[in-house]
Amino acid sequence: AQKITQTQPGMFVQEKEAVTLDCTYDTSDQSYGLFWYKQPSSGEMIFLIYQGSYDEQNATEGRYSLNFQKARKSANLVISASQLGDSAMYFCAMREGGGGSNYKLTFGKGTLLTVNP
Amino acid sequence: DVKVTQSSRYLVKRTGEKVFLECVQDMDHENMFWYRQDPGLGLRLIYFSYDVKMKEKGDIPEGYSVSREKKERFSLILESASTNQTSMYLCASSETPSGGVNEQFFGPGTRLTVL
Repeated sequence: AQKITQTQPGMFVQEKEAVTLDCTYDTSDQSYGLFWYKQPSSGEMIFLIYQGSYDEQNATEGRYSLNFQKARKSANLVISASQLGDSAMYFCAMREGGGGSNYKLTFGKGTLLTVNP
Repeated sequence: DVKVTQSSRYLVKRTGEKVFLECVQDMDHENMFWYRQDPGLGLRLIYFSYDVKMKEKGDIPEGYSVSREKKERFSLILESASTNQTSMYLCASSETPSGGVNEQFFGPGTRLTVL
């Protein structure tokens, strides 16, 4: 079973509108962290936002927020007021538990977001 | 700012060649990672290292080896390159997770083509 599932291969949004990118995860650990990265066409991976499994509040960073629903095991990224520069591939990732595995991230397959003018 | 650099942005090699991909980070991070990225598959972990001379296999280590002789440098080695190793290779580094964010910082990637 996939640990990180991103069901939307591609999404379109109009400039200035909000968009939600879906991410569901699968883990039996109580302690884990969820990350979102952005990859523009230039190729670099840019860290956007983080949510820890024990964080009670949804994470926010500027126009990015993470809609964390622990019982549903979902960690959707919400981008408000989309801009043309938001057009990119977006990856959801998870870091599980402790010990040696604590260092690793497992990535989803990504969602390609296109912002239309 | 954390900087992770990779030796080449683009590389073309022939089948059977030995290929070295180099990665250097300047933030004294303990952990370094090598991923490959293929369309529709996301990023998959090849190897990671949590200390000098220490390494662990990731999800797809077959056909690859790694070397970490110095803390700042992590090399990925393709002993005998094959066409199915044509891919984008991404290096990353991070501090050891300690309850905080400790995100991974990525290099610009190396697009390797094996002919």
